[in-house]
Amino acid sequence: EDQVTQSPEALRLQEGESSSLNCSYTVSGLRGLFWYRQDPGKGPEFLFTLYSAGEEKEKERLKATLTKKESFLHITAPKPEDSATYLCAVPPSGAGSYQLTFGKGTKLSVIP
Amino acid sequence: NAGVTQTPKFQVLKTGQSMTLQCAQDMNHEYMSWYRQDPGMGLRLIHYSVGAGITDQGEVPNGYNVSRSTTEDFPLRLLSAAPSQTSVYFCASSSPGDTQYFGPGTRLTVL
Repeated sequence: EDQVTQSPEALRLQEGESSSLNCSYTVSGLRGLFWYRQDPGKGPEFLFTLYSAGEEKEKERLKATLTKKESFLHITAPKPEDSATYLCAVPPSGAGSYQLTFGKGTKLSVIP
Repeated sequence: NAGVTQTPKFQVLKTGQSMTLQCAQDMNHEYMSWYRQDPGMGLRLIHYSVGAGITDQGEVPNGYNVSRSTTEDFPLRLLSAAPSQTSVYFCASSSPGDTQYFGPGTRLTVL
């Protein structure tokens, strides 16, 4: 069964304290790993798509990396406005990106 | 572009009532999907569509119906609401090979 597991469930950081979020997946024939950010009361907002092991993408203080079994979302010198729930998702084996399987998310809190 | 829009934002139903959650997109996306989000469960796929007239079931389809008569609209129908359908519902759309873009959600409570 295709699965996506995120850890930790929750993370509290001081402003400026860098850290990483983990997303491990079990799916054969990966057709993309997607990272989203979700603020309370809002829909998920797209951040990155990674397709192959070794690929990296960056956006402001965020950098996403991908290996054959997991992805990391590195947050460098976070600010309070980075506080949100971060979700990762993959399409199931043989499926398209319209059928995403999501992890349960990591709730990030950045304390001033 | 408004992107993906959903109405209503909030809804309270009584057990057994029916209703339709509306979803529309103005990006000419072929693919549209419905998810529900529950505490501790993450987002789960209800139904999806790969084009007008084509729909299929996702992980949790029971109690829900969909149809896709136009590219822009993908309504989700609850036939006879149950308390277990209390959730936040998200609609998403995408083009082939592209990421999904999500709407703002509908928060549904079934009493």
